Amino acid sequence: NAGVTQTPKFRILKIGQSMTLQCAQDMNHNYMYWYRQDPGMGLKLIYYSVGAGITDKGEVPNGYNVSRSTTEDFPLRLELAAPSQTSVYFCASSSRLPNTGELFFGEGSRLTVL
Amino acid sequence: QKEVEQNSGPLSVPEGAIASLNCTYSDRGSQSFFWYRQYSGKSPELIMFIYSNGDKEDGRFTAQLNKASQYVSLLIRDSQPSDSATYLCAVNQAGTALIFGKGTTLSVSS
Repeated sequence: NAGVTQTPKFRILKIGQSMTLQCAQDMNHNYMYWYRQDPGMGLKLIYYSVGAGITDKGEVPNGYNVSRSTTEDFPLRLELAAPSQTSVYFCASSSRLPNTGELFFGEGSRLTVL
Repeated sequence: QKEVEQNSGPLSVPEGAIASLNCTYSDRGSQSFFWYRQYSGKSPELIMFIYSNGDKEDGRFTAQLNKASQYVSLLIRDSQPSDSATYLCAVNQAGTALIFGKGTTLSVSS
């Protein structure tokens, strides 16, 4: 059972480049999330989705875009990468509202912008 | 800005002792509270959740909630070196997403 799969696991970008972090889950979860975690810090919510076709901003959405065309996939797009976007990105999913259900996390994607 | 505050630590306890981790939150409307454990270089994993005022026990772990004081804590009894990790407090926001604190790093020495 794969759970939540993130790709790539590591990536180095140059300033101004763009890329997409992929996230896929095979648990038929409606709720999906993108968090970033800076060194020594907690998780900051970037975007979330409560179902296909529905997305909403979290705490730190600037510089990112998302889409949710299917239940399984929730890609995160970085446009014009900046050094401030150097971080570890975690995708997560939940079968129910997070106040009643557990979040399942992917293994993370470590991004460095130079 | 709704916030979740934790002492970043590190909190150091000897093996077999009780570790006490604390968390405060700003949104009085929050209704559910979670503790996640994160080992270095790994993704977070759920330890416990609590919805009602009072204590909730699960093995060596006890979560305590006081909504009037906007305070939630995690007690780890008989701490083991394998408990050494960062503990993240999380609070639901508007029922659709979790907001996390910065985490408290726990070190258990043998």
